[in-house]
Amino acid sequence: QQQVKQSPQSLIVQKGGISIINCAYENTAFDYFPWYQQFPGKGPALLIAIRPDVSEKKEGRFTISFNKSAKQFSLHIMDSQPGDSATYFCAARSSFNTNAGKSTFGDGTTLTVKP
Amino acid sequence: EAQVTQNPRYLITVTGKKLTVTCSQNMNHEYMSWYRQDPGLGLRQIYYSMNVEVTDKGDVPEGYKVSRKEKRNFPLILESPSPNQTSLYFCASSFSGTGGYEQFFGPGTRLTVL
Repeated sequence: QQQVKQSPQSLIVQKGGISIINCAYENTAFDYFPWYQQFPGKGPALLIAIRPDVSEKKEGRFTISFNKSAKQFSLHIMDSQPGDSATYFCAARSSFNTNAGKSTFGDGTTLTVKP
Repeated sequence: EAQVTQNPRYLITVTGKKLTVTCSQNMNHEYMSWYRQDPGLGLRQIYYSMNVEVTDKGDVPEGYKVSRKEKRNFPLILESPSPNQTSLYFCASSFSGTGGYEQFFGPGTRLTVL
């Protein structure tokens, strides 16, 4: 049972364009939704994260939009740059004691930004 | 420098030969996890630990063991590796509590089982 579904699997955008990656989750106990960025040969690194008490969080060119009722959240990359070319993972985690250490990741989206 | 270290970074072994991948963090994090990354399957959690001597299964624990005898270390043990355990493995750590759960990942260990 896949608890976090991510789409698309791959994405190609032109420099300056907007990249949008979507995730949907099933478990309503999730209360922390991060996005990780991974460059080839490196471990993932936190990009931006949101909690369900807000509908949007923006950090520079990166924005998370969160829809609690639809159980969906998305990453928007504005003014996409070639340096943004990487694999992006959404994830979900619960702070409830019995599962606080458990994280579920989406399958990843490979983003290519063409110059 | 705050970091998660893994050793070895690359390992080629044969079926059935026991191996251990070490993981260490210097950030005094309570939580530690092991993940495997396979093409098209994202990151799948193998085991996690919420503190010393507290471990639990993730989504794909079969064929793996872990231990958490010290806060900073969380080794991954494959007692009888098989070719389907060929993968890229990541260790990660984070704080507990309500302040957020940013996970810090190690550089990865690429394992090939022949």
